[in-house]
Amino acid sequence: DIQMTQSPSTLSASVGDRVTITCRASQSISSWLAWYQQKPGKAPKVLIYKASNLEHGVPSRFSGSGSGTDFTLTISSLQPDDFATYYCQQYHTYWTFGQGTKVEIK
Amino acid sequence: QVQLVESGGGVVQPGRSLRLSCRASGFSFSNYSMHWVRQAPGKGLEWVAVVSYDGSNKYYRDSVKGRFTISRDNSKNTLYLQMNSLRAEDTAVYYCARDPNVASYGYDYFDSWGQGTLVSVSS
Repeated sequence: DIQMTQSPSTLSASVGDRVTITCRASQSISSWLAWYQQKPGKAPKVLIYKASNLEHGVPSRFSGSGSGTDFTLTISSLQPDDFATYYCQQYHTYWTFGQGTKVEIK
Repeated sequence: QVQLVESGGGVVQPGRSLRLSCRASGFSFSNYSMHWVRQAPGKGLEWVAVVSYDGSNKYYRDSVKGRFTISRDNSKNTLYLQMNSLRAEDTAVYYCARDPNVASYGYDYFDSWGQGTLVSVSS
């Protein structure tokens, strides 16, 4: 099974900050990686697919990069609506999620 | 627009059964593979099962194999998850989610999700 490890687990930041979340796969997954945002009591929403492709309608302050085993999600300027939990997901072989990164207000 | 609405959750005793449903609208349901994903209280996301667009292929995570069955009725635009021999560790919000590709058997991300239905397994 492919394991996904995110870091950090929790991130404290302020509005306007540049935020970076990392995700590491236990084996190469090429670019078969997505990023999701989830707010309390809500379903996840896809932000990025195939490592760096922005889903339609997602603000351009979100970006993704990486390939192989190491990936990053960057929010260029954190907005109040961005405080949430973020998950990476591999879809190279079946589907596995990272444990999540909670972005909280500093 | 794409809409997925889950139902069927509730409180059930260990060892009993429950069937979840996911009613789809706003797209051609029979063209898309569909998934179940769960989230235990306060925990992360966990993929559970997938059924291909035509129902011919089904895959499960190891911990539910032999206990859960995913199925679909394309004439009713509905996805199902039959859960038998339920355990306390199956307690979670269960989401249905859609593969973004038409008539695909491959792996891909999930582009649409329902709001979830809570299953609580407790004596």
